[in-house]
Amino acid sequence: EIVLTQSPGTLSLSPGEGATLSCRASQSVSSNYLVWYQQKPGQAPRLLIYDASSRATGIPDRFSGSGSGTDFTLTISRLEPEDFAVYYCQQYGISPFNFGQGTKLEIK
Amino acid sequence: QVQLVQSGAEVKKPGASVKVSCKASGYTLTSYYVHWVRQAPGQGLEWMGVINPSGGGTSYVQRFQGRVAMTRDTSTSTVYMELSSLTSEDTGVYYCARGGSVGGGWSFGDYWGQGTLVTVSP
Repeated sequence: EIVLTQSPGTLSLSPGEGATLSCRASQSVSSNYLVWYQQKPGQAPRLLIYDASSRATGIPDRFSGSGSGTDFTLTISRLEPEDFAVYYCQQYGISPFNFGQGTKLEIK
Repeated sequence: QVQLVQSGAEVKKPGASVKVSCKASGYTLTSYYVHWVRQAPGQGLEWMGVINPSGGGTSYVQRFQGRVAMTRDTSTSTVYMELSSLTSEDTGVYYCARGGSVGGGWSFGDYWGQGTLVTVSP
């Protein structure tokens, strides 16, 4: 099975700064079938990016995804107060569809 | 609009079973796979498996094999996830999520239910 490792575990930044979150897979992700979710306390995950780089409907263009193979990145330009949350990557190329352990983006 | 509405919180004793429902609206249940994901308190997300609501076929993560059953009732547009032989480690929030179109890949969860808290306590 594919293991996803996210880094850093916690990222402390200020509103207006840019954020770069990493997701590394233990083996190549088929067809770059990787998504990014945002989760706030007490809420269900919210889809941000699918197929590694396609923004989901209604997601602001300050969110972007990139990468292929085993290395993927979620970039958030110009952080807004509502962007501080936990972010998860998940691969859906081969079962089991494992998630990364998450990156907590906190206000500095 | 697409909505997945889950059943309410449950408290169970160790060794018991729990059955969580997920009612779909705003789309045809049998046209999309449904995933189940759980989250232990303060922990990350864990994919449990997927059901094809059209034919009823399922695929479960190996660690849940023999203990989980995902079913559906097409007449009420509802899918169910039943977990048996509960232990304290099964405490957490259980989510359903709509996956890909039936006939294609299981894909990812684009719409999610609100979550159901299951607490396992003596």
